Amino acid sequence: GAVVSQHPSWVICKSGTSVKIECRSLDFQATTMFWYRQFPKQSLMLMATSNEGSKATYEQGVEKDKFLINHASLTLSTLTVTSAHPEDSSFYICSARDLRRGTYEQYFGPGTRLTVT
Amino acid sequence: GDSVTQMEGPVTLSEEAFLTINCTYTATGYPSLFWYVQYPGEGLQLLLKATKADDKGSNKGFEATYRKETTSFHLEKGSVQVSDSAVYFCALTLTQGGSEKLVFGKGMKPTVNP
Repeated sequence: GAVVSQHPSWVICKSGTSVKIECRSLDFQATTMFWYRQFPKQSLMLMATSNEGSKATYEQGVEKDKFLINHASLTLSTLTVTSAHPEDSSFYICSARDLRRGTYEQYFGPGTRLTVT
Repeated sequence: GDSVTQMEGPVTLSEEAFLTINCTYTATGYPSLFWYVQYPGEGLQLLLKATKADDKGSNKGFEATYRKETTSFHLEKGSVQVSDSAVYFCALTLTQGGSEKLVFGKGMKPTVNP
């Protein structure tokens, strides 16, 4: 149990276009979803936290108009990178948790590799 | 701010060798400490955790002890297998504004040769 999927696993887009990444909790309902970014040989950096039905809370330094996060249901959150540029190329990872389980444990998706050309 | 420092690779071992991955942390207060493992093509999985000083987390032959005096949480396994080749992340939880957040180290991938 507690499986999180991401789609796509790998995407290439042209500079100036937007790309959407989906994060789904497959066998549980996620009260909270997190989005992380990972650069090569670097740690995962939290970008934002989203609770179902409410606006995401962004970490300092993360542009909320550039990284649009929607958590419209208890099983789906999306991250849209708007007007992507080559410096947005990175590995994006989501995680989900269900506080109703009585635990803060996060379950992670396999990640999405974004390359902006 | 709160942070996690992991030893960096590369680390190459032979099967059945002893593995240690060092992790130290800086934190205000008393964080919970975690080790996550990421196998190729998969998401991070919680390997073990410890929530207070002197706690020992253990799972799948791996162990780590929460050492407050040295602010460390080193991961150890007595006899590694080829299947243990994965990326290991040390992490701590930080409570901010009523919510818990994970702070990760950079990760380290040992290579285990048969």
